Amino acid sequence: DSGVTQTPKHLITATGQRVTLRCSPRSGDLSVYWYQQSLDQGLQFLIQYYNGEERAKGNILERFSAQQFPDLHSELNLSSLELGDSALYFCASSVAVGGINEQFFGPGTRLTVL
Amino acid sequence: AQSVTQLGSHVSVSEGALVLLRCNYSSSVPPYLFWYVQYPNQGLQLLLKYTSAATLVKGINGFEAEFKKSETSFHLTKPSAHMRDAAEYFCAVSVDNQGGKLIFGQGTELSVKP
Repeated sequence: DSGVTQTPKHLITATGQRVTLRCSPRSGDLSVYWYQQSLDQGLQFLIQYYNGEERAKGNILERFSAQQFPDLHSELNLSSLELGDSALYFCASSVAVGGINEQFFGPGTRLTVL
Repeated sequence: AQSVTQLGSHVSVSEGALVLLRCNYSSSVPPYLFWYVQYPNQGLQLLLKYTSAATLVKGINGFEAEFKKSETSFHLTKPSAHMRDAAEYFCAVSVDNQGGKLIFGQGTELSVKP
């Protein structure tokens, strides 16, 4: 158990819908990362927050957005869903920013768009 | 920009045989390098990381990796494979000036035959 929790574990929805994925980082970690894992693209970095502020952005679609709240949990919002958004979404946390810090991964949320 | 290439999407070894998973990286600044393992239906777990302290890095479960700057490589090895090592392995790179986001290789699935 990494100490990072993600809810829900599974999500099945239809095209055009909007969903919210939730992540609680390890106690004491200020940095949260979101990654997408799909068969086509592999594991891709989406976005990073540190202590409530956005720090880095990857190839995140405009239909996707995220935020980190004062209690440090984070939410990833996916809207106007398409079939190609079906993937495993991971949240990871680390104590600080910087490449040297180990990232601890949650178990992921599997999103299926029908 | 950073990138990672893992040679071989699938590697099969016999139990007790040497495991060698290959990873080459590209980075314009000194990198931090990581190997993660993903068991079926689970998140990613850190095996080991290179942070410039020592070129030969020992990790969990008997794995180790050697950083070779001249070859831009960070290959993962284990002297003797166990059935429980069957999983997907990811090599990743991060750098300080990009917040610590991980750039992953495409992954190598390791199968271990009895």
